Amino acid sequence: DAGVIQSPRHEVTEMGQEVTLRCKPISGHDYLFWYRQTMMRGLELLIYFNNNVPIDDSGMPEDRFSAKMPNASFSTLKIQPSEPRDSAVYFCASSATGGYRGYTFGSGTRLTVV
Amino acid sequence: AQTVTQSQPEMSVQEAETVTLSCTYDTSESDYYLFWYKQPPSRQMILVIRQEAYKQQNATENRFSVNFQKAAKSFSLKISDSQLGDAAMYFCAYRSPNAGNMLTFGGGTRLMVKP
Repeated sequence: DAGVIQSPRHEVTEMGQEVTLRCKPISGHDYLFWYRQTMMRGLELLIYFNNNVPIDDSGMPEDRFSAKMPNASFSTLKIQPSEPRDSAVYFCASSATGGYRGYTFGSGTRLTVV
Repeated sequence: AQTVTQSQPEMSVQEAETVTLSCTYDTSESDYYLFWYKQPPSRQMILVIRQEAYKQQNATENRFSVNFQKAAKSFSLKISDSQLGDAAMYFCAYRSPNAGNMLTFGGGTRLMVKP
């Protein structure tokens, strides 16, 4: 298994531009999570899906952030318009029901908004 | 809501020595899971060890072991024979059986290993 695959690994964009982060979860995992990591706030859960349905998006900072999961093998996190304070590492993680094995994380996308 | 606290922002250990990282959590639940994750400079989050609350026996994975004290709501990680590759951020995490598969993470402890 290739694990959770995120792209791009690095993204540098100008303020005001649209940014799309992508994630492919592990096949057979029915939960998908998006986290943001910063020095100041640590790991923050933004949103998670179960069977492609968003369950809890209370961590999404504002309307500029949106996430979709059109099928079991793909999810996107979009920021429009981006701002410098959105600079962070964004992680996608997936897990199977039961969760005993915890999450499998992707390698993250480092986003820099200038 | 559950909270997870890692009271040591930074720790250091001499190579080949043993170090213990602390984690406490707040919950009213009796059944749950606990995890330790490692994040090296590569930033990849790696599962180190896990513990089921109903198991009294402490989990062990090679040089990594935990001291799970359910009554005290404490879940510390012991790293024996520390190696340079153990240098990383370590995160403690809690999973409630009543919150889907959602994990609540602590703030992390940065471990430095001195040669």
